[in-house]
Amino acid sequence: AQTVTQSQPEMSVQEAETVTLSCTYDTSESDYYLFWYKQPPSRQMILVIRQEAYKQQNATENRFSVNFQKAAKSFSLKISDSQLGDAAMYFCAYRSPYGGSQGNLIFGKGTKLSVKP
Amino acid sequence: DAGVTQSPTHLIKTRGQQVTLRCSPKSGHDTVSWYQQALGQGPQFIFQYYEEEERQRGNFPDRFSGHQFPNYSSELNVNALLLGDSALYLCASSLMETQYFGPGTRLLVL
Repeated sequence: AQTVTQSQPEMSVQEAETVTLSCTYDTSESDYYLFWYKQPPSRQMILVIRQEAYKQQNATENRFSVNFQKAAKSFSLKISDSQLGDAAMYFCAYRSPYGGSQGNLIFGKGTKLSVKP
Repeated sequence: DAGVTQSPTHLIKTRGQQVTLRCSPKSGHDTVSWYQQALGQGPQFIFQYYEEEERQRGNFPDRFSGHQFPNYSSELNVNALLLGDSALYLCASSLMETQYFGPGTRLLVL
């Protein structure tokens, strides 16, 4: 069974600085999807970025980028120019390509990011 | 374009009661997944509905059941509530591989 591990329960960053959140996963599959979701105190889970395992190029979305190391099974999220609104729980998630076209997500336990003004 | 909506936002029940939570998917999405998120934890997959049938199921007892309607909206039913069922229940809809979440329903069982 696949597992997702986020080893940093809490992280802190100064406003305008850069922070990296770590995620590792375990799978025997060669093709899969990886996601980062953000959950602010309002609790709505918001998609931040996604990565297809077959793509070697790291995904980027504005200030958010990932470092995808397939051999190491690592998927870290880098937030540049951190803003106060980035403060939230961040969840890393894995999705198998199997189980139909709509496989379920497997989440890590999350990293709580604080942004200091 | 409305996103995923869920109702109610909060709910308080007592042990042994039954509860129904509702979800309307994002426009154009045909698949609905339900997750349970305990305090301080990541969401855990309950089940997924597609074409009005349960397609996948996580490690949850039969007390958890669901339904999907022809308009793709979905319900999650939990019978014989236990204190441990207190959690945030998240609904997510999808058309392809990316799931989009609703705001959740906070259930408290007393």
